[in-house]
Amino acid sequence: QKEVEQNSGPLSVPEGAIASLNCTYSDRGSQSFFWYRQYSGKSPELIMSIYSNGDQEDGRFTAQLNKASQYVSLLIRDSQPSDSATYLCAVSGAGSYQLTFGKGTKLSVIP
Amino acid sequence: GAVVSQHPSWVICKSGTSVKIECRSLDFQATTMFWYRQFPKQSLMLMATSNEGSKATYEQGVEKDKFLINHASLTLSTLTVTSAHPEDSSFYICSAREELGQPQHFGDGTRLSIL
Repeated sequence: QKEVEQNSGPLSVPEGAIASLNCTYSDRGSQSFFWYRQYSGKSPELIMSIYSNGDQEDGRFTAQLNKASQYVSLLIRDSQPSDSATYLCAVSGAGSYQLTFGKGTKLSVIP
Repeated sequence: GAVVSQHPSWVICKSGTSVKIECRSLDFQATTMFWYRQFPKQSLMLMATSNEGSKATYEQGVEKDKFLINHASLTLSTLTVTSAHPEDSSFYICSAREELGQPQHFGDGTRLSIL
């Protein structure tokens, strides 16, 4: 059974701070890793993809991958109230049609 | 890029009605499309995976005769909820992916309410 684990939160950070979201996965053969943001009542929106060890940066977002530790993280710099949402970690194995989603971490950015 | 359009956004109908939801990839060809259901404050639940031109693969516990999926082209998949009942009321979301290993891109979802 492939599993993706996330701390459900809620994670509260003050505006302007760095928010750090973490995810671990069980399938050592996983090859593709994604972070989605889901606002309440809306569908998920892709914000980051990462495929190899190290950091991947896009604006205020940085995804970090460590395959040896089976660990993926998302850093949000200069957090804004508009970043308040549930963040879903998703993992795909080699040759797999499906994504395995974590249950999500709820982030609240306090003005 | 990678836009997925889903219609309708909202459906309210009487018990026993069949409802069709459309999912289109607008700017890419989706070899695989996925249908999810999400109840309030709960996680996404995958219902089925469909590849163009072949029968959908349903997750355990999902009734294939109740949730009919058609993936007739590389840009269109439909989900038909047959003889819907109040317990089928939920948020239905489709996603599409161009190739293996690529991310899934989600439609805006359809909120289904069965009275």
